[in-house]
Amino acid sequence: EVQLVESGGGLVQPGGSLRLSCAASGFTFSSYWMSWVRQAPGKGLEWVANIKQDGSEKYYVDSVKGRFTISRDNAKNSLYLQMNSLRAEDTAVYYCARSSGWSQGYWGQGTLVTVSS
Amino acid sequence: QSALTQPASVSGSPGQSITISCTGTSSDVGGYNYVSWYQQHPGKAPKLMIYDVSNRPSGVSNRFSGSKSGNTASLTISGLQAEDEADYYCSSYTSSSTPWVFGTGTKVTVL
Repeated sequence: EVQLVESGGGLVQPGGSLRLSCAASGFTFSSYWMSWVRQAPGKGLEWVANIKQDGSEKYYVDSVKGRFTISRDNAKNSLYLQMNSLRAEDTAVYYCARSSGWSQGYWGQGTLVTVSS
Repeated sequence: QSALTQPASVSGSPGQSITISCTGTSSDVGGYNYVSWYQQHPGKAPKLMIYDVSNRPSGVSNRFSGSKSGNTASLTISGLQAEDEADYYCSSYTSSSTPWVFGTGTKVTVL
């Protein structure tokens, strides 16, 4: 069974940093593109970033370029999102998702990030 | 890259069919057959319902179907059931600087 478990969310002040983790199990992690998708409270979904199987390609939504970094450790079956210079508008539930072809086939339950003073 | 446009809400009675539209441009929906649809119940993670415009993942009811015409994709739910009440989002690959975009979301209400 595919499982994705996010962790690392919490309350952080504007300008601060946070590192999210996603532990994957139940599939060959190194064989799939992985993504982060976020959802602000009461709002819709927003794709944030994704990373190729070997980490050689990474893509970001314009609003986080230069502030967020996606990475992975295939030996640990883990996906990460380093978030720096956080803003109030980054407040959201962050989901880890496994890509299946050109869609996100499996999702974790999400971790809440709150940026507030 | 702007979000794809969906109606804010759609409703129907049990047993009826409803259709949710997802309108983009030739740079996303119209340019690629990489449209997917997600169902999200309150407080839950999204679930993939349709991929590559019209394909259903294993385990998804055949009451859900997808199609595309020009720059508009559609999700049809036939034989509407109470459990179908949820938010639905479309998504597409895009040739813009942000390679993926979601729709604005549609709340489906079963009357």
